[in-house]
This record gives sequence, C-alpha cells and structure tokens, in this order.
Amino acid sequence: GIQVEQSPPDLILQEGANSTLRCNFSDSVNNLQWFHQNPWGQLINLFYIPSGTKQNGRLSATTVATERYSLLYISSSQTTDSGVYFCAVGSGNTGKLIFGQGTTLQVKP
Amino acid sequence: GAVVSQHPSWVICKSGTSVKIECRSLDFQATTMFWYRQFPKQSLMLMATSNEGSKATYEQGVEKDKFLINHASLTLSTLTVTSAHPEDSSFYICSAHLHTEAFFGQGTRLTVV
Repeated sequence: GIQVEQSPPDLILQEGANSTLRCNFSDSVNNLQWFHQNPWGQLINLFYIPSGTKQNGRLSATTVATERYSLLYISSSQTTDSGVYFCAVGSGNTGKLIFGQGTTLQVKP
Repeated sequence: GAVVSQHPSWVICKSGTSVKIECRSLDFQATTMFWYRQFPKQSLMLMATSNEGSKATYEQGVEKDKFLINHASLTLSTLTVTSAHPEDSSFYICSAHLHTEAFFGQGTRLTVV
C-alpha cells in the first residue's frame, strides 16, 4: 500500500514565525488532504489538494503530484495554530484515506 | 463544507458491555462512510468501510464480530463495540465524503473500565 511520511514530527515556533510542513507519498494519488487536529480531537479540513496550489488566509498548500510530495505553509503563526497536522492520501475509487504520522506544532506566545 | 456529526463524544463503559457510536451526515447523503481508530499520540488507522444497504468491509486485522457496523440509511452509520475490554479504549472517528473530499465527525473517546 501507499506509504505516507510527514516531516518534521515535531515543531516548536515562536508566535509570528513561518513554517513549512512536508508530506511525501510513495505512489500516485487522486486525493490528498491536509487536516488540523485540535486538542479535542476534531479533524479540521484545511485543504483538499491532490495537485496544484491553494491558499486560505495565512495557510497555503502545494502538491507536486509528479514528484509525490505536498507542502503546507503556515505564515505568521499564532498560538491557536498549535496542534497536530495530518496529511492523508487516497488512490483508486475506494475513498479510503491513508494518514501520515502527523506533525505536532507548538506555537509559543 | 459538509457536516458530519458523531455521538456520543465520550463514553465510559464497564468491561464486557457493548457500546454503540453513531455517525451522521447532516447535510448530504453518503452511501459510504469510514471508521477510523486513533490511539494516543498516534495517527488514524482505517478500521472499516461502511456501505449503505450492504455489509461493511473490514481492514486486515480488524475483528468484524467485535466491531459491528450497520449503515441503515444514507445519512447514518453505527459502530458497535461488543464485549468491550480495556484494550478497546481509544478514540473512534468516522468520515463521509462529499464528492471526493472527506469530512470527519468530532470523534468518540471510549474508555473501558
């Protein structure tokens, strides 16, 4: 099956700093999503981005499908950005998602 | 975006009892829903695919007799953890797709004592 690797596993930032999270995957995908899991466990949809670039406020994402990686950019980080960021990928028509191990982000005031 | 609602948010049960968790798509219909499990500080692992009107499909290593799934309508899937034991304590979370994008419920934290 598809392998998904996220880096870095942990990241500590000072408020206001920028960061880049990476997601590498081992095979072709037709679904790639980024999620933020809040402290209560809720998965918040950030981007549906199997290819291309999208931006939403301080967050943006780029997926280069031919090179099998995706990047999530967080600019001007805030303490509320803290939590775990997951990349999840899918292929075929099953709808199943395979999750990476996540990046735990801590933003300090 | 689409809304998926899960109930209850948390439950504590005694060892040997059964617990039912509901997953509803509130503003769209879903012929397929998915159930995931997450242990503390770990990632989400797919347990099973819930299919409306037919049997669920379980991932390798998931006991279908322990984790009963019923997809009774286009907006409701239920997961029943039967004869729960402390090792079943975990965070269970469901998802449904609107078009090709997955949306997740709030999750259910199950503690078996």
